[in-house]
Amino acid sequence: QVQLQESGPGLVKPSETLSLTCSVSGASISPYYWNWIRQPPGKGLEWIGFIYYDGSAIYNPSLRSRLTISVDTSKNQFSLKLTSVTAADTAVYYCARGSAAHGGYSDYWGQGTLVTVSS
Amino acid sequence: DIVMTQSPDSLAVSLGERATINCKSSQSVLSSSNNKNYLAWHQQKPGQPPKLLIYWASTRDSGVPDRFSGSGSGTDFTLTISNLQAEDVAVYYCQHYYSAPYTFGQGTKLEIQ
Repeated sequence: QVQLQESGPGLVKPSETLSLTCSVSGASISPYYWNWIRQPPGKGLEWIGFIYYDGSAIYNPSLRSRLTISVDTSKNQFSLKLTSVTAADTAVYYCARGSAAHGGYSDYWGQGTLVTVSS
Repeated sequence: DIVMTQSPDSLAVSLGERATINCKSSQSVLSSSNNKNYLAWHQQKPGQPPKLLIYWASTRDSGVPDRFSGSGSGTDFTLTISNLQAEDVAVYYCQHYYSAPYTFGQGTKLEIQ
């Protein structure tokens, strides 16, 4: 059973950096793609970006200048860093596994973690 | 970016009846190289993460009941839920994965009438 668990601070101050980690169990990081998706409270889903197990990543252009996604195969984890956050970055952040057929859609999702940007 | 537009935004259907949700992409998500539509449907119940229902526009994910079906090609797609059950109350999202960014539709809220 593939399981994903997001972890990180639930509260981040404006202009600071949001950092989250996704721990994967029941599956190896390789050879899959690993997605980050977010959902502002009461709103729809936004694809943030994904990373391949080899470290190559594709980001949503709307976030690219502030975003870094990384992978640690030794820990079976991948991470997200979003700099210079504002209230607009307040959302539930999901990590998810890209399917074997195509990494862009996710077949397993974490439960999500709410990150609030506020002073 | 490819824009995904769903209709309606919400609908109410009686138990046992059929629900139909539409999704339109601003450009074709059909690949000429493999003749596949790069379109997925997800179901999100309150307080839960999304769950994959359908990929390649019409292939059900493992364990998804066969009363869920996807159809369409190019820019116009449909999710049909036959014999609606109470547990189908959720928000449904289409998502393309043709080219990054892999955008989602705005969601369609399905309720029981």
